[in-house]
Amino acid sequence: DQQVKQNSPSLSVQEGRISILNCDYTNSMFDYFLWYKKYPAEGPTFLISISSIKDKNEDGRFTVFLNKSAKHLSLHIVPSQPGDSAVYFCAAAWDSNYQLIWGAGTKLIIKP
Amino acid sequence: EAGVTQFPSHSVIEKGQTVTLRCDPISGHDNLYWYRRVMGKEIKFLLHFVKESKQDESGMPNNRFLAERTGGTYSTLKVQPAELEDSGVYFCASSHLLAGSTDTQYFGPGTRLTVL
Repeated sequence: DQQVKQNSPSLSVQEGRISILNCDYTNSMFDYFLWYKKYPAEGPTFLISISSIKDKNEDGRFTVFLNKSAKHLSLHIVPSQPGDSAVYFCAAAWDSNYQLIWGAGTKLIIKP
Repeated sequence: EAGVTQFPSHSVIEKGQTVTLRCDPISGHDNLYWYRRVMGKEIKFLLHFVKESKQDESGMPNNRFLAERTGGTYSTLKVQPAELEDSGVYFCASSHLLAGSTDTQYFGPGTRLTVL
């Protein structure tokens, strides 16, 4: 049973526009959420995170929103740039456990 | 500062053979993790070392997988004997702090294992 779900396998966005990547989770014990970015033939690279005590965290062009009641989080990228083309993974963890629980990833394609 | 390195980058073996994957974490990182991504699906946790001790090996699929971290530095993951379903990309990650799961995990490039 998949506890972290990314229902969109791919997303295509025009350069300069906003990219919105979505993630849903089922385990209410999760209290920390992360987004990783992955280029082909490379390992995932940490992008941004959010604690369950917050509903928003911003870092430059990247903002993560958390809706605990809906068990949903999203990553907003504004403005989208060609270098943002990659696979984005949503991951979750809970304080007593170090392991990350991952979604299947969403491939973001930024069109020029 | 050097990142997490993994060797080999690719390995192609036949069913029934043995393969050993190696991970060198970032220097000074006590936490070391192994993950696996099979067939483009989600990345799944295998196990977690704190220094040389196995903290959590709940994700190890079966006893054909053996992970070690002698001396608390590099780690090896041995698959013996390999089966077709073991094919995938094996990622290693490391992190610094001992307390809490909020410490950032830094990933290596992965080893792509193909079992024929």
